[in-house]
Amino acid sequence: GNSVTQMEGPVTLSEEAFLTINCTYTATGYPSLFWYVQYPGEGLQLLLKATKADDKGSNKGFEATYRKETTSFHLEKGSVQVSDSAVYFCALPDGAGGTSYGKLTFGQGTILTVHP
Amino acid sequence: EAGVVQSPRYKIIEKKQPVAFWCNPISGHNTLYWYLQNLGQGPELLIRYENEEAVDDSQLPKDRFSAERLKGVDSTLKIQPAELGDSAVYLCASSTGDTQYFGPGTRLTVL
Repeated sequence: GNSVTQMEGPVTLSEEAFLTINCTYTATGYPSLFWYVQYPGEGLQLLLKATKADDKGSNKGFEATYRKETTSFHLEKGSVQVSDSAVYFCALPDGAGGTSYGKLTFGQGTILTVHP
Repeated sequence: EAGVVQSPRYKIIEKKQPVAFWCNPISGHNTLYWYLQNLGQGPELLIRYENEEAVDDSQLPKDRFSAERLKGVDSTLKIQPAELGDSAVYLCASSTGDTQYFGPGTRLTVL
């Protein structure tokens, strides 16, 4: 099945620093790619997605570009805030499409802590 | 639009006791998922429903776990009897395409 490898954390940054969290994938076909964020004590929230090669997903200042050549989907933000402190998960579905996409396969998660 | 609703948010039980979790998906979402998230890890699928039918339950420990989705809307996940190792967060998600939306989860502690 499809798989994803996410950079190990934790990541600690000062406010307004640049953020990169690396994610690479192995997949059959070209599935959509996702970043989810999990704040303390909460469920997963969809942060952004990209559905095909060279697509750029963006939300709340975060961006990630679907790179088919390097099989990567790295998450970036130009200036992090304390409120961005959370766990970030890269994910992709197992299914190849159609009416059912199967389960999501997640990376192990990257803990981000941003200090004032 | 209301999101995925789960209850309870927290549950503490003693080992060997039964426990049940409830999930109400986003309206119109035919696909419903239950995931297990252990501390410091990403979620892992327990079971997936397409309407009323469980189409992927290969990772569900059927000796103690059961699930149902009557009428293709709400779903219940049950553990009987619970073991210490079942302490985790149980997440419910729903989708109508390739994007899954998650509820807040139920944090289970087994003493």
